[in-house]
Amino acid sequence: EVRLVQSGRHLVQPGGSLRLSCAASGFTVSTNYMTWVRQAPGKGLEWVSVIYSGGSSFYADSVKDRFTISRDNSKNTLYLQMNTLRGEDTAVYYCARDRSVLDALDIWGQGTMVTVSS
Amino acid sequence: SYELTQPLSVSVALGQTARITCGRNNIGSKNVHWYQQRPGQAPVLVIYRDSNRPSGIPERFSGSNSGNTATLTISRAQAGDEADYYCQVWDSSTGVFGGGTKLTVL
Repeated sequence: EVRLVQSGRHLVQPGGSLRLSCAASGFTVSTNYMTWVRQAPGKGLEWVSVIYSGGSSFYADSVKDRFTISRDNSKNTLYLQMNTLRGEDTAVYYCARDRSVLDALDIWGQGTMVTVSS
Repeated sequence: SYELTQPLSVSVALGQTARITCGRNNIGSKNVHWYQQRPGQAPVLVIYRDSNRPSGIPERFSGSNSGNTATLTISRAQAGDEADYYCQVWDSSTGVFGGGTKLTVL
């Protein structure tokens, strides 16, 4: 079965750091474009970052220079390293697989709730 | 910045046809994808590349894209179709989502 399984919910203080994980099964993370999307409470979907199969990565302006997308090929897992966290980063974070090259997101993780609060 | 405009809400009578729009200048030149999100759940892809249905999505869901507007059409609306719907495109290497439309089935 093709699926993405994400790590559990997190509470972190403002200014803190956190790494989210997204483990894939049924396909290979390294040969696919992979994306992170977030959703603040009561709000819409917001694109966060993408990593290409070749390794290039891109970020939304709101997280650039604070977040880093990466993958571990041996664990078939996608990551999002989040630094200098702010209250406005509070959201459910979803990882998703791109069905091709900058195409639709066809497989989604179940989501991880991240709360940034003191 | 690249923005996509969706109506906040759309209502449809049970069994009738709902149309949800996604607007942007010359959106017809982009591939538009549509996602359904039920409360407390992850989004689900319902239409990709303007008008294609993934496996498992009912034929009642269809899409079109021309000029300045892309449209998701849901025929014979059912209670289970009540959800938030989002359009999405890629602008160079940046993903862009519409603000979302809440579909209410009356």
